[in-house]
Amino acid sequence: DAGITQSPRHKVTETGTPVTLRCHQTENHRYMYWYRQDPGHGLRLIHYSYGVKDTDKGEVSDGYSVSRSKTEDFLLTLESATSSQTSVYFCAISSTGRNEQYFGPGTRLTVT
Amino acid sequence: GESVGLHLPTLSVQEGDNSIINCAYSNSASDYFIWYKQESGKGPQFIIDIRSNMDKRQGQRVTVLLNKTVKHLSLQIAATQPGDSAVYFCAENKGNQGGKLIFGQGTELSVKP
Repeated sequence: DAGITQSPRHKVTETGTPVTLRCHQTENHRYMYWYRQDPGHGLRLIHYSYGVKDTDKGEVSDGYSVSRSKTEDFLLTLESATSSQTSVYFCAISSTGRNEQYFGPGTRLTVT
Repeated sequence: GESVGLHLPTLSVQEGDNSIINCAYSNSASDYFIWYKQESGKGPQFIIDIRSNMDKRQGQRVTVLLNKTVKHLSLQIAATQPGDSAVYFCAENKGNQGGKLIFGQGTELSVKP
């Protein structure tokens, strides 16, 4: 398996609270991605990063922010969690951005 | 509009038979396609990919076929095994910067012993 870890693996939080999910890689890949997976919607891109401090929005970025201060870490923040953000979140990495992406194990987030 | 879709949401096959999972795409600018396998409770696992300058690519027990004329992608699994039971996703990259992928909804493959 590609060296990708996500933390926490499970989290339950209340509406309105801030939440930060962490993705850590040991592959030294340049590109990192955050997806959410929901029934009936498949995987949808939230944000991605093409280098340290270089990030861009995906198709479902509203309500989310990201930061990448080191090559190995990509953080996803929900500033004020809502019930619609209950989902499974996956991080992925890619070496060139023009090849396959490898996925982490996922974080299951429940917002009550 | 742009979309990556699958013809069937579920597929049931007998152990030992060959499986074929289909995917249609609508963006003719897509130049890279990937198949992923996702087991319950796990992240998607890369299976095989193909670029638009190819029609066919083979891996271990898997073959991906690309028909650009009809914008169709298929994944063939030879001698399907119980361990192949999972949800399979196709994804396309439109050649944009950053490697953003658009995923299909997925097909659930069930292998009967």
